[in-house]
Amino acid sequence: QVQLAESGGGVVQPGRSLRLSCAASGFNFRVYGMHWVRQGPGQGLEWVSFIEGGEGREFYADSVKGRFTISRDNPKNTLYLEINSLRAEDTAVYFCARDGPHWDVDWWGQGTLVTVSP
Amino acid sequence: QSALTQPAYVSGSPGQSITISCTGTNSDIVNYDYVSWYQHHPGKAPKLIIYEVNSRPSGVPNRFSGSKSGNTASLTISGLQPEDEADYYCSSKRSVIRVFGGGTKLTVL
Repeated sequence: QVQLAESGGGVVQPGRSLRLSCAASGFNFRVYGMHWVRQGPGQGLEWVSFIEGGEGREFYADSVKGRFTISRDNPKNTLYLEINSLRAEDTAVYFCARDGPHWDVDWWGQGTLVTVSP
Repeated sequence: QSALTQPAYVSGSPGQSITISCTGTNSDIVNYDYVSWYQHHPGKAPKLIIYEVNSRPSGVPNRFSGSKSGNTASLTISGLQPEDEADYYCSSKRSVIRVFGGGTKLTVL
């Protein structure tokens, strides 16, 4: 059974940094691309970042480029998202998700809440 | 502002059918048959229900169907059931990234 469990969210002051983690199990993590998707309060889903399987390339939404860094530790089956210079508009639930074979996202975690507040 | 445009709300009675639209551009829906749909019950993990415009993952009831015409994709749910009440999101490939719609809240009256 595929499982994705995010952690690392919390209340953070503007300008600070935060690292989110996603522990994956139930599949061969190394070979799958992985996404971060976020949902702001009362808003829809926003694709944030993607990293290819293996030691693959990284891709970012324009809204986060330069401040967010996606990475993975394949031996630890863990996906990360480093968020720097946090802003109020980064307040959201951050979902970790597995890339599907049809340009879809076939498994999602339940998300971790990041609140940016003074 | 979301990349794909969906109606904010839709409703229907049990047993009825509803359709949710998802409007995109030449950069996404028009040029790629990689539209997917997700069901999200708040507080839970979103669930893939349609991929490649009109294919269903194993376990998704055939009450859920998808289609596409031009720049608009659609999700149809027939024989509405109370458990279908949720938020629904469309998504499309756009170059090497993904884009999502703003979501549609389905209320089963």
